[in-house]
Amino acid sequence: GDSVTQMEGPVTLSEEAFLTINCTYTATGYPSLFWYVQYPGEGLQLLLKATKADDKGSNKGFEATYRKETTSFHLEKGSVQVSDSAVYFCALQTGANNLFFGTGTRLTVIP
Amino acid sequence: GAVVSQHPSWVICKSGTSVKIECRSLDFQATTMFWYRQFPKQSLMLMATSNEGSKATYEQGVEKDKFLINHASLTLSTLTVTSAHPEDSSFYICSAVPGPTYGYTFGSGTRLTVV
Repeated sequence: GDSVTQMEGPVTLSEEAFLTINCTYTATGYPSLFWYVQYPGEGLQLLLKATKADDKGSNKGFEATYRKETTSFHLEKGSVQVSDSAVYFCALQTGANNLFFGTGTRLTVIP
Repeated sequence: GAVVSQHPSWVICKSGTSVKIECRSLDFQATTMFWYRQFPKQSLMLMATSNEGSKATYEQGVEKDKFLINHASLTLSTLTVTSAHPEDSSFYICSAVPGPTYGYTFGSGTRLTVV
């Protein structure tokens, strides 16, 4: 079945460090891929998305490229800030109501 | 933009009591809303799909009689946790899709603690 495998974490980085959170997926058909962010005490917010192979989603300095050949959608940011501390979820959507989430990766950025 | 409002944001209740969580679409109509549950250090799991004017569709393993869902209008869905027990303590989140150009829009979640 459809699923998402995500780097578990937690991840702790110093401010301005480079961030990579790995995400791979298994899906039938051609899914759309998403990264959601959950800040402390808040619900999920869409961070970025990509709907087809080779698309690059980007927002707030974060990027992820839809790689069909490696079935991956790794999240990257060149220089993290303390305000990026949150839980990040990779997700895929294969149908109108089918949104599958990874287990989430908690990122803590220290000054 | 499209907003999903969820209340309360947190609630503490005693074992055996029932708790109602509301999910509202503030500036759009939602014929369908989704309820998720998030255990600590785990991912969100879809519990059920709420359909306006008809019965909810529950995912496998979710007790219908325990998690009552009502979607009486195009802007409101409610989840009632009946006869709550400590193992029901979790983070519950609702979502909806405002339209074809939107993705899932999530409420801010409700943290339920059953003591």
